[in-house]
Amino acid sequence: DTGVSQNPRHKITKRGQNVTFRCDPISEHNRLYWYRQTLGQGPEFLTYFQNEAQLEKSRLLSDRFSAERPKGSFSTLEIQRTEQGDSAMYLCASSIAGETTQYFGPGTRLTVL
Amino acid sequence: AQSVTQLGSHVSVSEGALVLLRCNYSSSVPPYLFWYVQYPNQGLQLLLKYTSAATLVKGINGFEAEFKKSETSFHLTKPSAHMSDAAEYFCAVSEGSGNTPLVFGKGTRLSVIA
Repeated sequence: DTGVSQNPRHKITKRGQNVTFRCDPISEHNRLYWYRQTLGQGPEFLTYFQNEAQLEKSRLLSDRFSAERPKGSFSTLEIQRTEQGDSAMYLCASSIAGETTQYFGPGTRLTVL
Repeated sequence: AQSVTQLGSHVSVSEGALVLLRCNYSSSVPPYLFWYVQYPNQGLQLLLKYTSAATLVKGINGFEAEFKKSETSFHLTKPSAHMSDAAEYFCAVSEGSGNTPLVFGKGTRLSVIA
């Protein structure tokens, strides 16, 4: 059990560019969650998957954001036309459906200049 | 809608003193409650969780929390603070079966003074 991994750990980009983050959950965890954490705030839910199906999206997830989990294993979160307000830590978590504990990765810190 | 309020964005205690971090929740159904800890530049680590079993929950690193339905509270305590406890602490709630997206409080930063 190697834990949840996220890549890259840090990303600096210019406003208007597209960025993509990857999350690898704990193997055999069929649920995968994305959260966003801004400075001084708690994590806020963005979206989650069970296997490859996207079950819920938050109102925070604007049209510029898209998430996929094509084979029910790793997931990607893409932000198009980044804005300075997108600067945040993007956290991924995984769990087994039916169990209450979510295991978090180290996060990807995005800075939009 | 469910929500979490953490009273005090910053708590400072002396090493060896009692740690008390406050959390109040709002939920329309019996909640599942969690405390997570976050060290600088790291993800969140689960300290403990309440899942409708015993109201006094013991977690890792000597932390415990008590679920009080009448007060809608789930305060986190530790009898004696260590320097290594300095971190950000988040209370979270989940409704339904408990394996739904978490709603977090804004967090409390704990400082431990030598």
